[in-house]
Amino acid sequence: DTAVSQTPKYLVTQMGNDKSIKCEQNLGHDTMYWYKQDSKKFLKIMFSYNNKELIINETVPNRFSPKSPDKAHLNLHINSLELGDSAVYFCASSQGEAYGYTFGSGTRLTVV
Amino acid sequence: KQEVTQIPAALSVPEGENLVLNCSFTDSAIYNLQWFRQDPGKGLTSLLLIQSSQREQTSGRLNASLDKSSGRSTLYIAASQPGDSATYLCAVNQGGKLIFGQGTELSVKP
Repeated sequence: DTAVSQTPKYLVTQMGNDKSIKCEQNLGHDTMYWYKQDSKKFLKIMFSYNNKELIINETVPNRFSPKSPDKAHLNLHINSLELGDSAVYFCASSQGEAYGYTFGSGTRLTVV
Repeated sequence: KQEVTQIPAALSVPEGENLVLNCSFTDSAIYNLQWFRQDPGKGLTSLLLIQSSQREQTSGRLNASLDKSSGRSTLYIAASQPGDSATYLCAVNQGGKLIFGQGTELSVKP
């Protein structure tokens, strides 16, 4: 059973397009996150949601819009894709601040 | 602002060696610290979680220590194997998010 699953695993698209990445967790965790791993492999938080409510928005361009229909799902929609958006996007979940994080396997986005 | 640094950036050792990976952080007000492993093109696998009140955690050949006051953590890998080759990431939990170091890329040669 996959704990945190993301789709798609790979996404290749042209500049200017709009795309979405989906994430689902079956751990019963209250908090979900999106992290971005850049070309230098550095991981940085983008957003966090707690029980469908936005908690952290870490200076991300407003072309990126997260949506949480319920506490088990957190999707990421990206408008007007740019070359610099190419990265690996990871979804994660946690039961709370005192607990560890579980990460999905990542979505490799390539903008051409 | 919290900064997490991992040294060395890369490490190559022969099979069987014991090794230590280092992680330092600038702000000691953390909830916990988590070590992850990332294989090329893959996601993050959690190895060990140390709460701020703990000094160390062990899992098999792995032992992680935490000295919160000095802002340091180490990951000790005993009797390294080629299958241990991966990037090891340290992350501190602060302010409702994980803040990562740049990672140590480990290569264990047969």
